[in-house]
Amino acid sequence: AQSVTQPDIHITVSEGASLELRCNYSYGATPYLFWYVQSPGQGLQLLLKYFSGDTLVQGIKGFEAEFKRSQSSFNLRKPSVHWSDAAEYFCAVGGTSGTYKYIFGTGTRLKVLA
Amino acid sequence: DTAVSQTPKYLVTQMGNDKSIKCEQNLGHDTMYWYKQDSKKFLKIMFSYNNKELIINETVPNRFSPKSPDKAHLNLHINSLELGDSAVYFCASSVPPGTQYFGPGTRLTVL
Repeated sequence: AQSVTQPDIHITVSEGASLELRCNYSYGATPYLFWYVQSPGQGLQLLLKYFSGDTLVQGIKGFEAEFKRSQSSFNLRKPSVHWSDAAEYFCAVGGTSGTYKYIFGTGTRLKVLA
Repeated sequence: DTAVSQTPKYLVTQMGNDKSIKCEQNLGHDTMYWYKQDSKKFLKIMFSYNNKELIINETVPNRFSPKSPDKAHLNLHINSLELGDSAVYFCASSVPPGTQYFGPGTRLTVL
């Protein structure tokens, strides 16, 4: 069955520290992978996406993610976290052409300590 | 020039009432979605329309009825509201399997 797992429900880091949010997926075909961020009271905003090509993708706000097919992972990283990065982060998988359904992980809530 | 807009942003109502949420996108996408986000932030897909045709209909009570008058609009009507319907409802659009663009959400509170 298709699924997306975000193992960490909550993560707390200090401002300026590095960050890695984990995402593992189970998908039969080549997935289209996304990371979204949801700030409190807001909708979801796309951080970055991977469709094909270079497995290290850069996104907005200094985020990057690496697609590792062998590990079925698409982990999100940031070298230095800012207080404004505190939010909920969602990993998602979109199907190949002809599939309309997107599968979202359960989210990781990031707290940033000053 | 908002890409995906929803109205209203907040909706407070009594149990048993009927209410509607409206969604519009100006991205030219053919596919639109409704998601429900519960208090634990879990996103659950409810419906999807492609060019006014219903293509995804998850296990949702039939009190929920989507309507797509044209491919730029997808509305959600809810009959006989229950306490458990309280949540944030998000509209989204995309050209699958590409990026989904989300609206700001409608926070529904049923008293």
